[in-house]
Amino acid sequence: DTAVSQTPKYLVTQMGNDKSIKCEQNLGHDTMYWYKQDSKKFLKIMFSYNNKELIINETVPNRFSPKSPDKAHLNLHINSLELGDSAVYFCASSPRGNQPQHFGDGTRLSIL
Amino acid sequence: DAKTTQPPSMDCAEGRAANLPCNHSTISGNEYVYWYRQIHSQGPQYIIHGLKNNETNEMASLIITEDRKSSTLILPHATLRDTAVYYCIVRVFNSGGSNYKLTFGKGTLLTVNP
Repeated sequence: DTAVSQTPKYLVTQMGNDKSIKCEQNLGHDTMYWYKQDSKKFLKIMFSYNNKELIINETVPNRFSPKSPDKAHLNLHINSLELGDSAVYFCASSPRGNQPQHFGDGTRLSIL
Repeated sequence: DAKTTQPPSMDCAEGRAANLPCNHSTISGNEYVYWYRQIHSQGPQYIIHGLKNNETNEMASLIITEDRKSSTLILPHATLRDTAVYYCIVRVFNSGGSNYKLTFGKGTLLTVNP
């Protein structure tokens, strides 16, 4: 059973489009995260939700909007995609914010 | 979060112990040391964490110096599947909000050779 699952695994789209990435965790965790790993392999936090409440928003452009319909899901919607958005996006979850985090396998976003 | 310093790369022979060092000389008293790894094309994987005592689990051992300014992650019998980038992260444990995030550095690329 996949603990943290992301869909799609690969996403290729054109500049200017709007796309969404979905994340679901079946671990019963309260806290979920989105991280971005760029072409230089640096992993950076983007957002974190705790029980559907936004607790971290790390200077991410307004084109990125996370949504948490329930504590098992944290989706990421991106408007007006730009070339610089090409990266691997990882979803993660933890029982509480200070507990070890479990990561999904990433969504590889490529902007043409 | 305190800054950490790790060697960019290391090699290890299969079956031997892999000892990965990490310096965190500015660590505060309430900060824990966490280790994660990222195998190629996968998400990061939690390995172990500790405050000041040595810790061991089924994956690895964590040795923290008495002054807590450095630590070593030990994989006792490295296999080819342990080839990955290993990240040492220092983070406050008992706090909320923005401290929930993990701040990843460049890590150490461990290559286990046959």
